[in-house]
Amino acid sequence: GQNIDQPTEMTATEGAIVQINCTYQTSGFNGLFWYQQHAGEAPTFLSYNVLDGLEEKGRFSSFLSRSKGYSYLLLKELQMKDSASYLCAVTSGAGSYQLTFGKGTKLSVIP
Amino acid sequence: EPEVTQTPSHQVTQMGQEVILRCVPISNHLYFYWYRQILGQKVEFLVSFYNNEISEKSEIFDDQFSVERPDGSNFTLKIRSTKLEDSAMYFCASTIDRNTEAFFGQGTRLTVV
Repeated sequence: GQNIDQPTEMTATEGAIVQINCTYQTSGFNGLFWYQQHAGEAPTFLSYNVLDGLEEKGRFSSFLSRSKGYSYLLLKELQMKDSASYLCAVTSGAGSYQLTFGKGTKLSVIP
Repeated sequence: EPEVTQTPSHQVTQMGQEVILRCVPISNHLYFYWYRQILGQKVEFLVSFYNNEISEKSEIFDDQFSVERPDGSNFTLKIRSTKLEDSAMYFCASTIDRNTEAFFGQGTRLTVV
């Protein structure tokens, strides 16, 4: 089966750095995605990892270790608008590219 | 910036009625998807569509559900006989290729009463 785990909630201070972890157990692996979802809105793409290592994109970075089934999303210089849910999603299985999502981590940024 | 558009944004229907949710994917995208999110729960895959046929579907996507691309731009999800548990936000998404970033529409909130 597919299992993706993330912390349910996190709180961080404006201007700080926060790391959101994701672990996955899937049959096969094609790639790992991070999406941001504000309440009542659609998920929007943040990052994609298919090889081990760090991908940096402005204030957001994402890391992947395939051998450990582990990823994290790093958000730097937190802003109030970063308060949202962060969804870890995996594509896995031979010829399968459907996104399997975790339950999401609700991040609250406080002043 | 190109975007996926969905209509309607909200739909209320009586149990047992048929509903059709509509989506216009990004024009040069080739892969289309429907996902749903029950309030407070995770986003769940329903079905993917490529080259005018279903390429994958989940256990949720039973005989009550069907998808269609009736013309060159629209992509629809039909639920034949809605149940209370079908109440959810339904998201359409599209990708330019397999395993690339998915662009999601703003969703249709379906409420079955």
